[in-house]
Amino acid sequence: GDKVKQSPSALSLQEGTNSALRCNFSIAATTVQWFLQNPRGSLMNLFYLVPGTKENGRLKSAFDSKESYSTLHIRDAQLEDSGTYFCAAEASSGSWQLIFGSGTQLTVMP
Amino acid sequence: AQTIHQWPVAEIKAVGSPLSLGCTIKGKSSPNLYWYWQATGGTLQQLFYSITVGQVESVVQLNLSASRPKDDQFILSTEKLLLSHSGFYLCAWSTREVFFGKGTRLTVV
Repeated sequence: GDKVKQSPSALSLQEGTNSALRCNFSIAATTVQWFLQNPRGSLMNLFYLVPGTKENGRLKSAFDSKESYSTLHIRDAQLEDSGTYFCAAEASSGSWQLIFGSGTQLTVMP
Repeated sequence: AQTIHQWPVAEIKAVGSPLSLGCTIKGKSSPNLYWYWQATGGTLQQLFYSITVGQVESVVQLNLSASRPKDDQFILSTEKLLLSHSGFYLCAWSTREVFFGKGTRLTVV
């Protein structure tokens, strides 16, 4: 089964609204990263998390290693937030493997 | 600041032909290096990683090979391309957080 299960797979938001993306892990994740991939394929780093929370502007992310999940909250969605969001988990410290979720395709509409 | 450069940006190659994709990292000494592959509309799959010059570990078998001839260079290659090799190839580096290059789009025809 999927080691990193990401939901939802697709999401449409009205500009100015809020939403949350989630990743559940069936592995013992030690760190989590969130990325935004644009239509050209470039991956932008959003967050690098050890267990805890981080905030950057309208984005906030949390990683709970005991409950094996991570969330990404988007507040006041803007058109430029559109793209594919990926979470990725490092399976164990020093494993050199980053396991990606299947992605959430986000479309923000005016 | 660290920069990662991948080449070429895009390739169209015939089935059975050889392939070489490259990646150079500047501004970081002895990074961990990675190759990832992404099918159109799919997720990212790690192919190889290297933690030191001359040493490469395979994560999945896709009839591809990788080499790290210099501290700042990572090469992905095959002698015979398959249709299934089409996709988007991304090079990445890390010390802890992973950073990606802009990728190479490969179409095998």
